Amino acid sequence: SQKIEQNSEALNIQEGKTATLTCNYTNYSPAYLQWYRQDPGRGPVFLLLIRENEKEKRKERLKVTFDTTLKQSLFHITASQPADSATYLCALGAGGGNKLTFGTGTQLKVEL
Amino acid sequence: DVKVTQSSRYLVKRTGEKVFLECVQDMDHENMFWYRQDPGLGLRLIYFSYDVKMKEKGDIPEGYSVSREKKERFSLILESASTNQTSMYLCASSAPPELTDTQYFGPGTRLTVL
Repeated sequence: SQKIEQNSEALNIQEGKTATLTCNYTNYSPAYLQWYRQDPGRGPVFLLLIRENEKEKRKERLKVTFDTTLKQSLFHITASQPADSATYLCALGAGGGNKLTFGTGTQLKVEL
Repeated sequence: DVKVTQSSRYLVKRTGEKVFLECVQDMDHENMFWYRQDPGLGLRLIYFSYDVKMKEKGDIPEGYSVSREKKERFSLILESASTNQTSMYLCASSAPPELTDTQYFGPGTRLTVL
């Protein structure tokens, strides 16, 4: 069955450092992969989408890579700030119907 | 800005009660989704709809039903609430794939079944 794995342990980093979160998947051939941010008690908010034929995508301090051979996406936040503290979810879609399968998310804590 | 609203932020119900969770979106999106989110299990799809009066089962439809009588409104129904349905319920909407694949979420309803 399809499986998406994100590190369940919280990631604690110091302000100003680069945070790197990992999303691995098996038994899936996604047409695209998305990253969402979720704050406590709120719904997820879309951040970035990367398609299967793209290696890398950037948006301000965010960078996403997508390796369909390794079946892995890396999500980077450069110059991290305490305001970046949240849970980050990856989601995969096969296309043609817009149904997504979500990972369980990784909690990021940026400390002063 | 896309806005997805849910009828309640917090809800407490008793076992056996019929529960209605309502979701409304204001962007004329075709697609709407209901998820539940539990610690360690992530977001799980309950039902989704691609059009008015149309519905498809997600990964965990048992114990739930849905209704989509109007394009902007998608309701989740718990016919007879049980304690294992205590969870955070999230509604989302999106436009067809050729426009965008992004899903827009509501704020969530935290349902407690006693």
